[in-house]
Amino acid sequence: KNEVEQSPQNLTAQEGEFITINCSYSVGISALHWLQQHPGGGIVSLFMLSSGKKKHGRLIATINIQEKHSSLHITASHPRDSAVYICAVSGPGNQFYFGTGTSLTVIP
Amino acid sequence: DSGVTQTPKHLITATGQRVTLRCSPRSGDLSVYWYQQSLDQGLQFLIQYYNGEERAKGNILERFSAQQFPDLHSELNLSSLELGDSALYFCASSPRDRYNEQFFGPGTRLTVL
Repeated sequence: KNEVEQSPQNLTAQEGEFITINCSYSVGISALHWLQQHPGGGIVSLFMLSSGKKKHGRLIATINIQEKHSSLHITASHPRDSAVYICAVSGPGNQFYFGTGTSLTVIP
Repeated sequence: DSGVTQTPKHLITATGQRVTLRCSPRSGDLSVYWYQQSLDQGLQFLIQYYNGEERAKGNILERFSAQQFPDLHSELNLSSLELGDSALYFCASSPRDRYNEQFFGPGTRLTVL
């Protein structure tokens, strides 16, 4: 049983398209994280949120605590957005749970 | 650059051996987290230390151990290595007043032959 489920697993988009990645979780959380992992392997934390919505440039993250669901949106996608996007939650007892990631490829 | 450093970058060793991975957190951060990312299991939380004390434990095998030293750097010790231990090992640190916010190191790629 996975505490965090992501969809889709793989996503291919044309440059300029609006992209949505979804994350559902089953545990009580103190925060939800969206991470970006580039092909080189390095991980960058994009957002940490516990309610509402956050925006950073072309990236928007939302969370619905009642529905235990979060979405990551990318507006005007660009080839440099190609990466794996990982949803993670920090839950009871300081445990962290990760989704399996969404591999995004943006084609010029 | 997150400010978190990890050494070595790559490590190749044989089954049955023992290795030590090192992590230096960002200046001022008291928390250190260790994660394992393997091809078949994805990212998994191993263990967290806060100011030298173990704070939370995840899916860490008994063959693995970690500690955080007074200067706040941390080491992850992996012993009796098996082929399945081949993975990327990440360290992350978080600020004392924003413990949920994490800054990841570049990772150590361990290959067990």
